[in-house]
Amino acid sequence: DIQLTQSPSFLSASVGDTVTITCRASQRISSYLAWYQLKPGKAPKLLIYAASTLQSGVPSTFSGSGSGAEFTFRISSLQPEDFATYYCQQLHTYPYTFGQGTKLEIK
Amino acid sequence: QVQLQESGPGLVKTSETLSLTCTVSGGSISRSYWSWIRQSPGKGLEWIGYIYYSGAADYNPSLKSRVSMSVDTSRNQFSLSLTSVTASDTAVYYCARLTRESRGWYWIGADYWGQGILVSVSS
Repeated sequence: DIQLTQSPSFLSASVGDTVTITCRASQRISSYLAWYQLKPGKAPKLLIYAASTLQSGVPSTFSGSGSGAEFTFRISSLQPEDFATYYCQQLHTYPYTFGQGTKLEIK
Repeated sequence: QVQLQESGPGLVKTSETLSLTCTVSGGSISRSYWSWIRQSPGKGLEWIGYIYYSGAADYNPSLKSRVSMSVDTSRNQFSLSLTSVTASDTAVYYCARLTRESRGWYWIGADYWGQGILVSVSS
């Protein structure tokens, strides 16, 4: 299976800050990477697909970049509702594995 | 707006079969792919597998010997069955729609999810 390593695992930030999360794949996966937001008790939300394409309805404060084996996810101007756990997922090779997650907490 | 809702028992006994159903509303189950994903307590997300509305399915090799999925297009539902469960199968189980890019060249990802259902396995 392709391993995805996210860093950091925990992130503490303030409203208005910009944060960056990295996702590294154990093999090259072209641009077949998605980013999700998870909040307890709520349906997870797809934010970014194909590494850098914003899903419809997602604010432009979210962005993604990268290809091959290294990817970056960025949230600019953090809002209170952005504090959540974020996961990357590769959709290049079956099974479609996830990173271990990054928990974004309010400082 | 497509909505998904998982249903099933919240407690399953060790060695028995976990059975969950996902009901799709706001859209047809036809011509789409449907998936199951789980999150064990304190851990990350694990891909279980997916099924096409036609019934063709593909499972995570790590679970393949114990997993099966089915679709009921008349009820707009799809289901997950996991046999011989142990405590390590305790998790929040999510159903989700797996979508391809408009030309079908690659997977976008899971664009609609249910809220998840916690299933505990205990003797």
